[in-house]
Amino acid sequence: GENVEQHPSTLSVQEGDSAVIKCTYSDSASNYFPWYKQELGKRPQLIIDIRSNVGEKKDQRIAVTLNKTAKHFSLHITETQPEDSAVYFCAASPPDKVIFGPGTSLSVIP
Amino acid sequence: SAVISQKPSRDICQRGTSLTIQCQVDSQVTMMFWYRQQPGQSLTLIATANQGSEATYESGFVIDKFPISRPNLTFSTLTVSNMSPEDSSIYLCSVAPMNTEAFFGQGTRLTVV
Repeated sequence: GENVEQHPSTLSVQEGDSAVIKCTYSDSASNYFPWYKQELGKRPQLIIDIRSNVGEKKDQRIAVTLNKTAKHFSLHITETQPEDSAVYFCAASPPDKVIFGPGTSLSVIP
Repeated sequence: SAVISQKPSRDICQRGTSLTIQCQVDSQVTMMFWYRQQPGQSLTLIATANQGSEATYESGFVIDKFPISRPNLTFSTLTVSNMSPEDSSIYLCSVAPMNTEAFFGQGTRLTVV
C-alpha cells in the first residue's frame, strides 16, 4: 500500500523567510497530492493540492511542486508569518483512500 | 464541499468497555474514512467504510477491535471495542468526494482509564 514520508519533522524559521517541506510517496497509482494545515485542537484544513498531471501550482504565498518520476513533492511557503505556525501534513491519494505523511511542525519566529 | 457532524466530541471510558462514534454527512458520499490521531502524531487510516459492503481495514487494524457500520450514503459508525489505555486517541471521520479535498468531522477525543 501507499507509504508517505515527510521531512523535516520540525522547522523553525524567522518571520519573512521561506519554509520548505518535502514528501515522498511509494504508490505509483497515487494521482492526487493535497497539503493540510492543522492548528492545535482543530481539524486539518486543505491549503493547496496538486494532481499528477501538473508539475507546479501556486496560490499566493504557497506553492507545491510534484516530480512524478521521482515520486516526491514539496510545499513552499514564502514570506512566512506567525500565523503560519502549525503542523503541516502532506498526503498521497490513490483512487480509494488518502494516506498522510507524519507531519511537520512549523514555527515562525516573529 | 461536505459538512460532517461527529459525536461524541469527547468521552472518558473504563477499560474493557466499548464506545461507538457516529458521523453524519450533509451529502451522499461513496466512501467514508476513519482515522486515529494520537497526540502529536499524524492521521493513521483505520479503515474505509463502504456502503453496501464490508469495510476495508488497513494493516494493523481488525474488524473485531474496530467494527464499522455504513447503513447508507450519509452515515457511518466506528466502535472501539474492549478498550485499553492504548486506545486513548482522537478519532476522526472523513470524506473525500470525487478524490478531491478531504473534509473531517470535529473529532472524538477518547480517554480510556
